[in-house]
This record gives sequence, C-alpha cells and structure tokens, in this order.
Amino acid sequence: GESVGLHLPTLSVQEGDNSIINCAYSNSASDYFIWYKQESGKGPQFIIDIRSNMDKRQGQRVTVLLNKTVKHLSLQIAATQPGDSAVYFCAENIRGGFKTIFGAGTRLFVKA
Amino acid sequence: DAGVIQSPRHEVTEMGQEVTLRCKPISGHNSLFWYRQTMMRGLELLIYFNNNVPIDDSGMPEDRFSAKMPNASFSTLKIQPSEPRDSAVYFCASSSNRQGSFYNEQFFGPGTRLTVL
Repeated sequence: GESVGLHLPTLSVQEGDNSIINCAYSNSASDYFIWYKQESGKGPQFIIDIRSNMDKRQGQRVTVLLNKTVKHLSLQIAATQPGDSAVYFCAENIRGGFKTIFGAGTRLFVKA
Repeated sequence: DAGVIQSPRHEVTEMGQEVTLRCKPISGHNSLFWYRQTMMRGLELLIYFNNNVPIDDSGMPEDRFSAKMPNASFSTLKIQPSEPRDSAVYFCASSSNRQGSFYNEQFFGPGTRLTVL
C-alpha cells in the first residue's frame, strides 16, 4: 500500500558524521528500490537504486542496504555535508511496471 | 538539457476557478507522470502516459481532474472547478521507457505550487 505522512520523521546530524535513514517498504512483490532526495523548492532527484537480488550497493558517499526478510531499506550517507540537508524518500517498484510507490520521507538536518 | 519544465511555478486561485498546469518533458523521453505532493498524503501518482497515451489514471482523485498529452513534448493537468483541498505541489516527471530495462529513472520538474482559496 501507499505510505501516508502526517509528521515527517526528522534526523539531525553533525556535519562530518555519518547519517543512516531507514525505510520500511510494503509490497513483497517489489523487486526494485530507489532512494530520492528532495531539496526545498525542488522536485525529487534520483540518488541510488538497488535490485532485490542484492543486499548492498555503494555509490559516491552513499550506500543502500536491503533486507528483504523484514522489508527494510536504509540509506547511509558518509561524512554528511550541509548540502545533504533535504527530504529523502525511499521508493519501491515492480520490474516492468510504471508505478513507483514513494514512502513518506525523512527530513535530514545537517548542523554545521 | 533543460530538464523537465513546468509552468506556472506558483498559482493562487479562488475556489471554483479552472486551473491548468503545464509540463514539457525531457526531449526523447516517452513516459510522463503527474504527481501530487501534500504533507498529509505524501507523493501520489495521479496519471501516467506512455507514448502520449494515458495508461493509468486510477490516481486521479475526481472527475474534476483531467490530463492530456497532445504530443510528445507537452502535457496539461486541469482542475475544474478547483477546491481548497486541491492545494498542493504538483510535479511532472518524465522517463525514457527502455524495453526490457529493470527500471527507468524518473526525472522530476520543479513543481507547481497550487493554492486554492
């Protein structure tokens, strides 16, 4: 099902620390997962993705972990910078399908 | 590339008025999506076009909402008549729907912030 967000979870970290943003997805049939970043006043922007046959994928300063057993996804940001301040959405998709389901989002604040 | 272009960026209107939101997808992309974002419901898919044809409009909230894609470079989302509960940010996104690919990244526009008084 789709996520409904009444109160956006917030994570506050010190600049230079690592950030971990968690997400629980809903559909067991989903086999593709994506993290999007949304800065204030802008549309969501793709960060990193992972297929269901993987449990970890690394990008530049970001790592996504997938635990299909408990339907949990996490995004790790190394050496968090002020420019990382944004709302982060996890999203799920079924291969070949057009419909991407977005989570409620987590707001990340980076303190200088 | 200019990315996905949306207009207007902000729209303030009165209840009962017609509102038209516009989108120009990235050139060469053949899939187009309209989303609505609110604090209460997050990011919701309203309608999806593939090759200018509406594929799924099950997310369109009511008959007051309609969307068209007359050609590959233009789409509109219309609300008539508008109501205060339609106030939200409306995003258009496009992607290149490659045959057999696992996922086609969606590129979002900057959004239109709609306020219905």
